[in-house]
Amino acid sequence: SQQGEEDPQALSIQEGENATMNCSYKTSINNLQWYRQNSGRGLVHLILIRSNEREKHSGRLRVTLDTSKKSSSLLITASRAADTASYFCATDTGRRALTFGSGTRLQVQP
Amino acid sequence: SQTIHQWPATLVQPVGSPLSLECTVEGTSNPNLYWYRQAAGRGLQLLFYSVGIGQISSEVPQNLSASRPQDRQFILSSKKLLLSDSGFYLCAWTGIQNIQYFGAGTRLSVL
Repeated sequence: SQQGEEDPQALSIQEGENATMNCSYKTSINNLQWYRQNSGRGLVHLILIRSNEREKHSGRLRVTLDTSKKSSSLLITASRAADTASYFCATDTGRRALTFGSGTRLQVQP
Repeated sequence: SQTIHQWPATLVQPVGSPLSLECTVEGTSNPNLYWYRQAAGRGLQLLFYSVGIGQISSEVPQNLSASRPQDRQFILSSKKLLLSDSGFYLCAWTGIQNIQYFGAGTRLSVL
């Protein structure tokens, strides 16, 4: 199974609501990253949280990391229709490549 | 600033035909480069990565190969495409803190 697994697989909310996505992983990490992918496009890096950090903010994004539970969450506050995309977590375990999860598809209804 | 170019954006190829996808990076030297494949609605599968010219590591044995003829050029190839090679192919390079920067992707349909 994959190192990173997102939950839920799909999420539909109304504009203005908050969106929460979760990621679980299996092995020790150096950092965990979240990426966004608009339909048919490449992934774009959103935020990175190091293994010794518990919470990080960037604009409307809030990421938490619980290394004891091997899980992370991404919260998007006051969502907008433009936030509609797929969101992926990726773990850096010190290998040469990140390991990406299967993603959460977020639909924000205007 | 660094940019990554990937082409073509879309490709339709018959089964058994060859494939060549190209990726180039500008604004950085000796980057780690990656090829991923993404099935519809799924996550990313790492295919190849390269830490330097001529150095290719394959993650998944398959019908594809990769080459790095120049420092900032990464090529994904196949001699004979299979139906199962259809997908969305992404090239990426790694910056500081192992953050990855992706190209726009190539949508490959093998018919």
